[in-house]
Amino acid sequence: AIRMTQSPSLFSASTGDRVTITCRASQGISSYLAWYQQKPGKAPKLLIYAASTLQSGVPSRFSGSGSGTDFTLTISCLQSEDFATYYCQQYYSYPPITFGQGTRLDIK
Amino acid sequence: QVQLQQWGAGLLKPSETLSLTCAVYVGSFSDYYWSWIRQPPGKGLEWIGEINHSGSTNYNPSLKSRVTISVDTSKNQFSLKLSSVTAADTAVYYCARSPVQLERPFDIWGQGTMVTVSS
Repeated sequence: AIRMTQSPSLFSASTGDRVTITCRASQGISSYLAWYQQKPGKAPKLLIYAASTLQSGVPSRFSGSGSGTDFTLTISCLQSEDFATYYCQQYYSYPPITFGQGTRLDIK
Repeated sequence: QVQLQQWGAGLLKPSETLSLTCAVYVGSFSDYYWSWIRQPPGKGLEWIGEINHSGSTNYNPSLKSRVTISVDTSKNQFSLKLSSVTAADTAVYYCARSPVQLERPFDIWGQGTMVTVSS
């Protein structure tokens, strides 16, 4: 199984900050990577797929980049509603489809 | 509006079989894979398996011996059965869809069902 490792696991930031979350795959996955946002008690929400394609309706302050094994999710100007947990997911080689362990973004 | 609606028993005893169903109200059933994903309390996401409209399945090898996913195209529903549950199977279970194409993220999710295994 392809292992997805996110860093950091926990990050504190302030409204207006620029934040970058990293996801590393244990082997190359081309650009078959998605990012999700999850708020407490809610299902995950798709933000980005194909490593850098913004899902319809997602604000443009979210962006993704990378290919191969190293990927990033950037939030250019944090809003209050962005404080949540973020997950990366690979769909290059399966089964199994695998997720990163998550990055919790807290208010500083 | 409801797009994926899921239901099933929320409290099980060890060794019982977990059973959940997800009804699809959005999109063409044949254009997607239909997955089950779970999340233990306070932990991350684990993909359980998927099925397509013709009944072809893929399962997570870590759960394969206990999992059965089935589909009822006449009702636009798919179901999960997980046998011989233990406390480690306590989690929120989600149904989700992904397109039948190279780019296949989970773009729509059900509301989640909390399943607790306790004696």
